[in-house]
Amino acid sequence: QVQQQESGPRLVKPSETLSLTCPVSGGSLRTYYWTWIRQPPGKGLEWIGHIYDGVTTNYNPSLKSRVTISADTSKNQLSLKVSSVTAADTAVYYCARRLYDSDNYYDYGIDVWVQGTTVTVSS
Amino acid sequence: DIQMTQSPSSLSASVGDRVTITCRASQSINIFLNWYQQEPGKAPKLLIYAASSLQAGVPSRFSGSGSGTDFTLTISSLQPEDFATYYCQQGHSYPLTFGGGTKVDIK
Repeated sequence: QVQQQESGPRLVKPSETLSLTCPVSGGSLRTYYWTWIRQPPGKGLEWIGHIYDGVTTNYNPSLKSRVTISADTSKNQLSLKVSSVTAADTAVYYCARRLYDSDNYYDYGIDVWVQGTTVTVSS
Repeated sequence: DIQMTQSPSSLSASVGDRVTITCRASQSINIFLNWYQQEPGKAPKLLIYAASSLQAGVPSRFSGSGSGTDFTLTISSLQPEDFATYYCQQGHSYPLTFGGGTKVDIK
């Protein structure tokens, strides 16, 4: 089981940028689809996007204009930035590892989830 | 986007009961349907991937079936630690999407 812990400010003001990092251990940033998912209080799960091979990203269209996912392979660190936040961005944010065979188009699910960080957007 | 609809949204059951949760996709997703269990205050845990494959370490009382648009998660004999919320998720196309969840609580 990969053990990681996200870090970043837990209180963000409206219109500012939310920034989270997630150290990756026991796995490679270039091997898996490293994914960010969020869960608003009392609600379901929303896929934010992922990065693969350390550089290739894919974002949820609902957030695409405001989201940046990046990876620092030298630090084994995953990052998330969400700009122009509003109260609707208040959520628990998870970084997670998706196992996907892109050669055979076979999905093995999101098998490792980090204990999430609660981010509140409030002035 | 592919919409995932779970039913029921909640259910009450007793220890030892057989429990079935269904998930329907708005279009065919082949077998690329995953199931997760989430306990309060914790991150989700992968139970089943590719509709019917049991994730390593998950008890065999959990099983999944289905293909195309209709899928089922079955717990053959509910245990105290199974009271949680269950989510389905499609891994067929982007954006990845989740069902709304099914909360299983004690009758």
